[in-house]
Amino acid sequence: GAVVSQHPSRVICKSGTSVKIECRSLDFQATTMFWYRQFPKKSLMLMATSNEGSKATYEQGVEKDKFLINHASLTLSTLTVTSAHPEDSSFYICSAREGGGIIGNQPQHFGDGTRLSIL
Amino acid sequence: EDKVVQSPLSLVVHEGDTVTLNCSYEVTNFRSLLWYKQEKKAPTFLFMLTSSGIEKKSGRLSSILDKKELSSILNITATQTGDSAIYLCAGTDSGYALNFGKGTSLLVTP
Repeated sequence: GAVVSQHPSRVICKSGTSVKIECRSLDFQATTMFWYRQFPKKSLMLMATSNEGSKATYEQGVEKDKFLINHASLTLSTLTVTSAHPEDSSFYICSAREGGGIIGNQPQHFGDGTRLSIL
Repeated sequence: EDKVVQSPLSLVVHEGDTVTLNCSYEVTNFRSLLWYKQEKKAPTFLFMLTSSGIEKKSGRLSSILDKKELSSILNITATQTGDSAIYLCAGTDSGYALNFGKGTSLLVTP
């Protein structure tokens, strides 16, 4: 089945550091990937939609200069949290859906998530 | 604004019981409704529903969509302790992004 790999699974770093999270679709091509954030005991909140070869679409309230998204290939999207601060500590999860309009409506599959802790 | 509401928020049952989880949605340009199970890490896919009235089954789990009522249910029969998790419902629009509900936390006790 569709496998999405997310790396790293856990990051602990000092305030001011930039952190890059990778999301890879291992056995399918993903023209669209999504980045979510989840706070403890809360549901997933969509941050941005990452489209291969074009700029990401950010949800309202998400700072694009803070959360840089790059989707350089059909199997890789990266999220960089720039100059991270303690309030950026959270669980970040990516998802990917297979193909585009030709393949039709496919479900999203999630990576295992990255727990980010900023001290 | 798109909205997905799940009920109940929390449920405790005994092993062997049957449970029904509810999801209602208001999604502009609705495309499909998905159910996910989340344990300690990221959600795992259960069902994707696009057509009304067609039940999808996977073992003891089943789900159905009612587009007239803008709702869906997830049934779990003969529950086991391994079914304990948060069950998330999400609606997608034409952009495929998932609008999640808050989830139903299910605890199955021995």
